[in-house]
Amino acid sequence: DAMVIQNPRYQVTQFGKPVTLSCSQTLNHNVMYWYQQKSSQAPKLLFHYYDKDFNNEADTPDNFQSRRPNTSFCFLDIRSPGLGDAAMYLCATRVSASGVSYNEQFFGPGTRLTVL
Amino acid sequence: GNSVTQMEGPVTLSEEAFLTINCTYTATGYPSLFWYVQYPGEGLQLLLKATKADDKGSNKGFEATYRKETTSFHLEKGSVQVSDSAVYFCALSAQGGSEKLVFGKGTKLTVNP
Repeated sequence: DAMVIQNPRYQVTQFGKPVTLSCSQTLNHNVMYWYQQKSSQAPKLLFHYYDKDFNNEADTPDNFQSRRPNTSFCFLDIRSPGLGDAAMYLCATRVSASGVSYNEQFFGPGTRLTVL
Repeated sequence: GNSVTQMEGPVTLSEEAFLTINCTYTATGYPSLFWYVQYPGEGLQLLLKATKADDKGSNKGFEATYRKETTSFHLEKGSVQVSDSAVYFCALSAQGGSEKLVFGKGTKLTVNP
């Protein structure tokens, strides 16, 4: 089945130790999103890629970076995790092509990040 | 700006009860509207959607109708099951640009046997 995969499902890191979360998709969607979701809150968009174009949200801290080496993969790098960065991180994809735009997003299962 | 306001929970129902979760929105133009469901420890799953006024989205016994006159997209189910226990998010996607999703705060539903 075509899907959005996130690894690992659970990640534990230490305060200040860089961590990378990964997302892959078999949907061949050209748009990929990273969200941060804290407990009992709605997901908050951090940034997204439209094809290779990176789009950062205005209030996303510089501590968060992203890479998209190809259509299928996207990474979230947290350079110096703080206690406040403990959250669920969700990856999502969407297809948008010339003349066609399906605006529903498909989400992965998420990676729960714990910062010690 | 665009925004979504949904009924705050938590909502607790008995099995086979009727469910309504209210959702209203503010947006320019003609947004698409969605209901996503999140089961404990999982990502979001699209439950249903509607892309234009008077459209009715439906899935797994859940329904919601896009009402432009009242800017609403209320979620309903006639008979809930224990397995419907989850958090439900109403969201909109405005046309044009990156079509980002704007979420409501979520409503936690617990269904007791």
